Amino acid sequence: EAGVAQSPRYKIIEKRQSVAFWCNPISGHATLYWYQQILGQGPKLLIQFQNNGVVDDSQLPKDRFSAERLKGVDSTLKIQPAKLEDSAVYLCASSSTDRVNEQFFGPGTRLTVL
Amino acid sequence: AQSVTQLDSQVPVFEEAPVELRCNYSSSVSVYLFWYVQYPNQGLQLLLKYLSGSTLVKGINGFEAEFNKSQTSFHLRKPSVHISDTAEYFCAVRPPLIGQNFVFGPGTRLSVLP
Repeated sequence: EAGVAQSPRYKIIEKRQSVAFWCNPISGHATLYWYQQILGQGPKLLIQFQNNGVVDDSQLPKDRFSAERLKGVDSTLKIQPAKLEDSAVYLCASSSTDRVNEQFFGPGTRLTVL
Repeated sequence: AQSVTQLDSQVPVFEEAPVELRCNYSSSVSVYLFWYVQYPNQGLQLLLKYLSGSTLVKGINGFEAEFNKSQTSFHLRKPSVHISDTAEYFCAVRPPLIGQNFVFGPGTRLSVLP
């Protein structure tokens, strides 16, 4: 079974630029999560999708962050414009509807904002 | 709201020695409890979870954890560690309610020394 795929693995941009991350969850997993993991901290949930609908985006900085999952499969997370404090690893995870306590994580995208 | 505390940010230990990684949580409702491991440049992997039943939970790679409700703790243990156990370990909680998501602790860096 293929795992959660993410790209790119690394990205370096300057502040005020825009950036996008892509995630392809495990096949058949209806629930998809985006987390932000700042160095030295645990992952913090940014947004949760159930199929192509948003379940929870209460911690997403909506003035600069956006995410979509148009066909209920893969997802894109965008930051525009980026700030220095956005430097972090962005993790994507997925779970099946009947096993929500078992999240499978991708390798993450490490973003550095200069 | 829930919060998770991991009292030790770093734990160095010699190979084949026992180790305990501490986790305490705060919640006004009952929660499920989890331990995840993150190897360098990889996503998180579930080690074990407590949902109900026996308070002693066994996971992968020889790890186990014990849920103590009175002390609101869920400490992770391994009787004999290997070099390959060197990684970041995260404790997490999740209320067993629809729509409720994971809250992660800040992590403990386990370094196994030869």
